[in-house]
Amino acid sequence: KNEVEQSPQNLTAQEGEFITINCSYSVGISALHWLQQHPGGGIVSLFMLSSGKKKHGRLIATINIQEKHSSLHITASHPRDSAVYICAAAYNTDKLIFGTGTRLQVFP
Amino acid sequence: DGGITQSPKYLFRKEGQNVTLSCEQNLNHDAMYWYRQDPGQGLRLIYYSQIVNDFQKGDIAEGYSVSREKKESFPLTVTSAQKNPTAFYLCASSIQGRGEQYFGPGTRLTVT
Repeated sequence: KNEVEQSPQNLTAQEGEFITINCSYSVGISALHWLQQHPGGGIVSLFMLSSGKKKHGRLIATINIQEKHSSLHITASHPRDSAVYICAAAYNTDKLIFGTGTRLQVFP
Repeated sequence: DGGITQSPKYLFRKEGQNVTLSCEQNLNHDAMYWYRQDPGQGLRLIYYSQIVNDFQKGDIAEGYSVSREKKESFPLTVTSAQKNPTAFYLCASSIQGRGEQYFGPGTRLTVT
């Protein structure tokens, strides 16, 4: 059983659109991670957050602890944003439970 | 440049052979992890190590073995006992006590 659920599984968008990817987790966590996996397979950590909101460039991550829900937003999407976005919940400090990922394709 | 390296990127083996995947980091991180990724599934933890000469089984350790003789290195051996070894394997590391993990580029293993 996977304790982290992501939606949607697949997402297509036109360049410039605002993107939202959702993540729900089942029990209390110490932190929520958002990761990006490019077609070659390498994974990059985008955000780690335990409350509130973080922003980096066109990427924004939010978390609602009471609702056990996090969102990743991409503003002004670009074809280079095409990747798989993965959320992962830390149920203790170092071990993560991963969602199955959201495959995003942004077309020019 | 600091980072994690995994080699090789692609690996092919015949069924019944053991194979060792390399993972090296120069980030001075205490903790290291091995994950397996299969299509349609989230990453699953195979083994992790929080300190040299110590490691713990993850969720899917059967058919795998690891060693942690040096802080920088955490090799994973896929043994012939692993029933479905074909997968994408990712190594990661983190500063002990902090959750952010840094990932290597991965090794795609194909066993026929």
